[in-house]
Amino acid sequence: GAVVSQHPSWVICKSGTSVKIECRSLDFQATTMFWYRQFPKQSLMLMATSNEGSKATYEQGVEKDKFLINHASLTLSTLTVTSAHPEDSSFYICSASGRISNQPQHFGDGTRLSIL
Amino acid sequence: GESVGLHLPTLSVQEGDNSIINCAYSNSASDYFIWYKQESGKGPQFIIDIRSNMDKRQGQRVTVLLNKTVKHLSLQIAATQPGDSAVYFCAENMVDTDKLIFGTGTRLQVFP
Repeated sequence: GAVVSQHPSWVICKSGTSVKIECRSLDFQATTMFWYRQFPKQSLMLMATSNEGSKATYEQGVEKDKFLINHASLTLSTLTVTSAHPEDSSFYICSASGRISNQPQHFGDGTRLSIL
Repeated sequence: GESVGLHLPTLSVQEGDNSIINCAYSNSASDYFIWYKQESGKGPQFIIDIRSNMDKRQGQRVTVLLNKTVKHLSLQIAATQPGDSAVYFCAENMVDTDKLIFGTGTRLQVFP
């Protein structure tokens, strides 16, 4: 099946640091990538949708200046958490979908971000 | 049995029994539905999907049932195994968008 790789899988850093998370589709061209946030024992909440070569679309309540998304190629999207604070600590998951609609999104294995 | 925890409802079954996980979706305009399995510390893994023009779809050991009248989706797992222990999420895809809306999830615990 389709493979989505996410890196790093775990990061711990000091408050005020900016952290970049990469999401790669390894065996298909991802026209659209999605970024989710998940708190413990809760569901996935969509943060933003990014299409290759265009600006990301953010969900209501998600600060676009806080969570910078770049989707420069059909195989790579990045999420940068700028000036991270402890409340940004969470599990961040990306997914990717190809050109055909009504096909399942394929998910990466997530990045656990801990801000001290 | 089934119980509601602090955040996630939990379904406990004995190994070898059949499991049924239920989901109520929110939007009658949704036309595509997916079940995902999430193990601890990992991303969701695709299990099975179904389009709104169908009411049943079968995979290997899994069956998804869709009742559009009451906006209900269920996942049936036959002969549940310890490796099936995970959190299961239903997700709905609204027509004309690529976005998925995830349900609250159900934790499946399989006991020997």
